[in-house]
Amino acid sequence: GAGVSQSPSNKVTEKGKDVELRCDPISGHTALYWYRQSLGQGLEFLIYFQGNSAPDKSGLPSDRFSAERTGGSVSTLTIQRTQQEDSAVYLCASSLATSGSNEQFFGPGTRLTVL
Amino acid sequence: DAKTTQPTSMDCAEGRAANLPCNHSTISGNEYVYWYRQIHSQGPQYIIHGLKNNETNEMASLIITEDRKSSTLILPHATLRDTAVYYCIVRPQGGATNKLIFGTGTLLAVQP
Repeated sequence: GAGVSQSPSNKVTEKGKDVELRCDPISGHTALYWYRQSLGQGLEFLIYFQGNSAPDKSGLPSDRFSAERTGGSVSTLTIQRTQQEDSAVYLCASSLATSGSNEQFFGPGTRLTVL
Repeated sequence: DAKTTQPTSMDCAEGRAANLPCNHSTISGNEYVYWYRQIHSQGPQYIIHGLKNNETNEMASLIITEDRKSSTLILPHATLRDTAVYYCIVRPQGGATNKLIFGTGTLLAVQP
């Protein structure tokens, strides 16, 4: 079946502009995660959605970052007033909450470049 | 902070076993050891996980020491496509959040 998809695959924007990144999780997966990976850095957790529960936003680096998940499926990560340090690959993952392994399936990522 | 320590890089000859070590000396009783890998320009991929018993699946084997303070991921017959960064992660299974805290991982280079 289809895996996690993300769009766009690449996004170039100017400093100060807002951007929206989209994630389509695997159908039926109730848990959804956003991570980011800056050049040469490890993966950094941003936010986690699980069903109708309040999201875990503990990883969001500033109030310029927000995310929503509509209808328990598609998620959008929004970055307002982008800065050059926001340049990174933004990765989305989903998992079955009831999965014994809690295996997270990752999408290919969106490469964001802020000029 | 990542709770694991891994070598920065390792080499392995194609067709040979790759043994990737991980230290997790502060692991708690309810924490599992997970391994993911990230091939260049791709998202991470789950490999295997375990609590205290050794585990094996179609991709790899996981050997956890009796005191659980370290583990080894074994790729029995490494291929060039196994070249990737391998992440060892410890976390509780279930709980309020299932976020993964990635360290710097081990870059495994499989040589022809």
